[in-house]
Amino acid sequence: DVKVTQSSRYLVKRTGEKVFLECVQDMDHENMFWYRQDPGLGLRLIYFSYDVKMKEKGDIPEGYSVSREKKERFSLILESASTNQTSMYLCASRPQGAPVVFFGQGTRLTVV
Amino acid sequence: QQQVKQSPQSLIVQKGGIPIINCAYENTAFDYFPWYQQFPGKGPALLIAIRPDVSEKKEGRFTISFNKSAKQFSLHIMDSQPGDSATYFCAASEGNQGGKLIFGQGTELSVKP
Repeated sequence: DVKVTQSSRYLVKRTGEKVFLECVQDMDHENMFWYRQDPGLGLRLIYFSYDVKMKEKGDIPEGYSVSREKKERFSLILESASTNQTSMYLCASRPQGAPVVFFGQGTRLTVV
Repeated sequence: QQQVKQSPQSLIVQKGGIPIINCAYENTAFDYFPWYQQFPGKGPALLIAIRPDVSEKKEGRFTISFNKSAKQFSLHIMDSQPGDSATYFCAASEGNQGGKLIFGQGTELSVKP
């Protein structure tokens, strides 16, 4: 089975902190994604990566950056956390040439 | 800009009922339309998907109906069970954009015993 693992289930951070959300997949997938999930808004794409060191902005990249130094790992970085970044963050991966996207279990981030 | 619109936002049915969730899209280049199911505390998981060259697809109790001319698709759950209570997301993607999924807003389904 494909496994996408997010390093934390729950995080509480203070306003202004730099926050790292880590994601690892074990199926050698080329494509990786970060979404945030908010009630009534569905899942919105923050950033995605189709190869090591490659990244592209999604629909809501402001306030976020990403890093992909190794194929299996995709990190989401909140440079200076704000309360409006309190949300559920979902990492996902997809193999090249296949449409199915596999999600991690999510990280619920609260910024106080 | 929301490219996939989903309704209703929430839905309550009795056991055995047939909940229907609807989605509409704008981008005619979309060529893959999945539905994801999410239980509390879990990430979304693929439930069923359809390509625009067919009008209907069934997998067990789940059916996707697809209307290409209207740019709409819907999920039907036959003989719904309390275990089907979850949040359902429709999505769409375009092949040449690396398969990034654009999601609808989600529907919270509750099936009462």
